[in-house]
Amino acid sequence: NAGVTQTPKFRILKIGQSMTLQCTQDMNHNYMYWYRQDPGMGLKLIYYSVGAGITDKGEVPNGYNVSRSTTEDFPLRLELAAPSQTSVYFCASKSWTGGYYGYTFGSGTRLTVV
Amino acid sequence: EDKVVQSPLSLVVHEGDTVTLNCSYEVTNFRSLLWYKQEKKAPTFLFMLTSSGIEKKSGRLSSILDKKELFSILNITATQTGDSAVYLCAVEPLNYGGSQGNLIFGKGTKLSVKP
Repeated sequence: NAGVTQTPKFRILKIGQSMTLQCTQDMNHNYMYWYRQDPGMGLKLIYYSVGAGITDKGEVPNGYNVSRSTTEDFPLRLELAAPSQTSVYFCASKSWTGGYYGYTFGSGTRLTVV
Repeated sequence: EDKVVQSPLSLVVHEGDTVTLNCSYEVTNFRSLLWYKQEKKAPTFLFMLTSSGIEKKSGRLSSILDKKELFSILNITATQTGDSAVYLCAVEPLNYGGSQGNLIFGKGTKLSVKP
């Protein structure tokens, strides 16, 4: 099915561990985003990409890194996990559809750092 | 600083009630305002508003934008228990910090519809 696929759905990390959250879209969208959502809060932008090979920081980039080697994939890397990174992470892509921009969100990754 | 403020933060109603959710925003350069419904997973798209005074409708849900007063409302009539969710308002600015249009989200309104 077309859309944005995130893996894993759940993960528990110990402080100081590292991991990569995977995000893949098969809609050939150029724009992709990583958001985090803390309890009772809206989504905050971590990193974004406007195309393969181009990435830039969002509002809350500290502690994260991204890469965009292909149009399809936009992985998010946590190098030294900290409890403050406990959150739900959403990947999204954007396209121009029917005269306006449409956002497609992945199903999210719930990360707990202990 | 660009921001989006939603009110109320939470709301409890009974089935059949009508609710109005509010979203106000301050954005340097406005492109569009979007409403999403979130039920413990990814936000699902409801409406996108770009012009003042034009009501968007989908079944029992409707929304309107006032670009002069910088706010939008989301109305839900004849509420059902399946409407229980967090409703997110987001604004897409033009060239937000060079980000080519990411979304700025409010904190959401948590709606609980009791039988």
